[in-house]
Amino acid sequence: DAKTTQPPSMDCAEGRAANLPCNHSTISGNEYVYWYRQIHSQGPQYIIHGLKNNETNEMASLIITEDRKSSTLILPHATLRDTAVYYCIVRSHSNAGKSTFGDGTTLTVKP
Amino acid sequence: NAGVTQTPKFQVLKTGQSMTLQCAQDMNHEYMSWYRQDPGMGLRLIHYSVGAGITDQGEVPNGYNVSRSTTEDFPLRLLSAAPSQTSVYFCASSHRLNYGYTFGSGTRLTVV
Repeated sequence: DAKTTQPPSMDCAEGRAANLPCNHSTISGNEYVYWYRQIHSQGPQYIIHGLKNNETNEMASLIITEDRKSSTLILPHATLRDTAVYYCIVRSHSNAGKSTFGDGTTLTVKP
Repeated sequence: NAGVTQTPKFQVLKTGQSMTLQCAQDMNHEYMSWYRQDPGMGLRLIHYSVGAGITDQGEVPNGYNVSRSTTEDFPLRLLSAAPSQTSVYFCASSHRLNYGYTFGSGTRLTVV
């Protein structure tokens, strides 16, 4: 599976959009981009995933560049409860049992 | 549905002791994985399984064994605990394709 690169930390003002970048320049054609978040010491929570088209659900939007080498997770109206560590991973659906996580981005939403 | 259930939630072991961390899911998920998370770090994959009877090693498998005799259960065995295995252990499961992982609440293990 391709490795990902994320900034170690980001800040965002409450009510503003939080844009979290992820670089996955070695992604292959059958690998999906997944995003999770981990609040405090809880188990990670699945947010969203996509292959090449932009995706949106009730939690967030995922924008994947046309060359698929990077993506951005967008939390449209960040709240204090969105303060968490956000992980971007790539996962092949032909070997979907193996998913490796990096160190993620610590997002701090400030009032 | 209970989701992914991990037991125990907390455990203290002495160096050299063995134990089994339990993980069970009731969602009929084919894929299950074990991760460990050291303080301030990301998750590292220990072992994973793509179905009953099939397991494989992840990034940090040494010192751990797994088995998958049923779809529901995926226990993780520590053979001879070492202080370096002090960590939080997470179990996760997912449907075979196109679904995100559901994680358990973790087992916090301290080896003294």
